[in-house]
Amino acid sequence: ELKVEQNPLFLSMQEGKNYTIYCNYSTTSDRLYWYRQDPGKSLESLFVLLSNGAVKQEGRLMASLDTKARLSTLHITAAVHDLSATYFCAVDEGWKGRDDKIIFGKGTRLHILP
Amino acid sequence: EAGVAQSPRYKIIEKRQSVAFWCNPISGHATLYWYQQILGQGPKLLIQFQNNGVVDDSQLPKDRFSAERLKGVDSTLKIQPAKLEDSAVYLCASSPPVGGRGGTQYFGPGTRLLVL
Repeated sequence: ELKVEQNPLFLSMQEGKNYTIYCNYSTTSDRLYWYRQDPGKSLESLFVLLSNGAVKQEGRLMASLDTKARLSTLHITAAVHDLSATYFCAVDEGWKGRDDKIIFGKGTRLHILP
Repeated sequence: EAGVAQSPRYKIIEKRQSVAFWCNPISGHATLYWYQQILGQGPKLLIQFQNNGVVDDSQLPKDRFSAERLKGVDSTLKIQPAKLEDSAVYLCASSPPVGGRGGTQYFGPGTRLLVL
């Protein structure tokens, strides 16, 4: 059974600093997603990583995938207050001839202090 | 392009009562998901439909929860009877057709359920 672990679960950081959120998963998978959720809101897709070594960047966020290590990272560069949210990684169990079951991590609650 | 629609947005009921949630996915999306998100946790998949067929319902508490997707478009999720531990946000999501495996799920705004 696929398990997805994120760490840290809570992160408080100063504006302008850099930090990384980690997502480990337990079985092979070929795609991984990062989502953002603001308090009281639904989930918003940030990145889809489809292959080993994939790297995607949007503004101050950069996500990467290492399928051999079963690890994805979400790196935050020069954090700003607007990035305060909960970030989820979700891992695709893989094509089983039907569709893809996606397992979510518990989320990393990020609070950026001004 | 219209997003995933859900209603109601909020619902308060007493335990042992029944409740139903409705979801209208993005037009053309074959796959529809219902998730339960308890406060402070990640979403947990309850049921996944491919068109109007069930693909996965292994985590659906079938003694009290039921879901259907008539005509492969809209879907309803029902809880009968509700328990206190069912208090959560119920998220509906949809994703593009199977052939276009890109996999990104588009989430609706959710229905926040409080069971008293």
